[in-house]
Amino acid sequence: EDQVTQSPEALRLQEGESSSLNCSYTVSGLRGLFWYRQDPGKGPEFLFTLYSAGEEKEKERLKATLTKKESFLHITAPKPEDSATYLCAVRGWGAQKLVFGQGTRLTINP
Amino acid sequence: DVKVTQSSRYLVKRTGEKVFLECVQDMDHENMFWYRQDPGLGLRLIYFSYDVKMKEKGDIPEGYSVSREKKERFSLILESASTNQTSMYLCASSLSRLAGGRSEQFFGPGTRLTVL
Repeated sequence: EDQVTQSPEALRLQEGESSSLNCSYTVSGLRGLFWYRQDPGKGPEFLFTLYSAGEEKEKERLKATLTKKESFLHITAPKPEDSATYLCAVRGWGAQKLVFGQGTRLTINP
Repeated sequence: DVKVTQSSRYLVKRTGEKVFLECVQDMDHENMFWYRQDPGLGLRLIYFSYDVKMKEKGDIPEGYSVSREKKERFSLILESASTNQTSMYLCASSLSRLAGGRSEQFFGPGTRLTVL
């Protein structure tokens, strides 16, 4: 069974303090790993798709990387507006649906 | 930009009522999904559809049904609402079943349903 585990559950940083969020996964043939950002009371907002080990994608202060077992979302010099819950999801070969992790709740203090 | 809209942001219903949640996407996506999201349980798939009039059960279909009469519209129906169906309901769409897994899901803003 495909599984996704995100760590830590919650992370509190000072503005400008860089860090990384982890997404560990087990899947029977990865067809895509997806990162989303979710603000309280809103729907998840798509950030990145990664398809194969070694792939990296960047958007502003965010950079996502992928290995065969895990993905990292690196946040460089974060700002308070980066505060949100970050969700990771995977889709395996032959699967019709995404499997989501529980998310990491990130808080950036000014 | 992909736009997924949901008919209501907040909804309050009484136990036993029939509830309709509507979702519309404007990007000609073939796949549409309904999830519910609860604290500590994360996102759980209720139903999905990969074509008009086609539907498949997700992980938690009990107590729900769906309808997809047009490509852009996917409805979630609670036949007889119960208090344990109080939740945030999220609709999503993605491009094509033939695109395989390489197809991002785009989410609507969500409907916060409270069943009293």
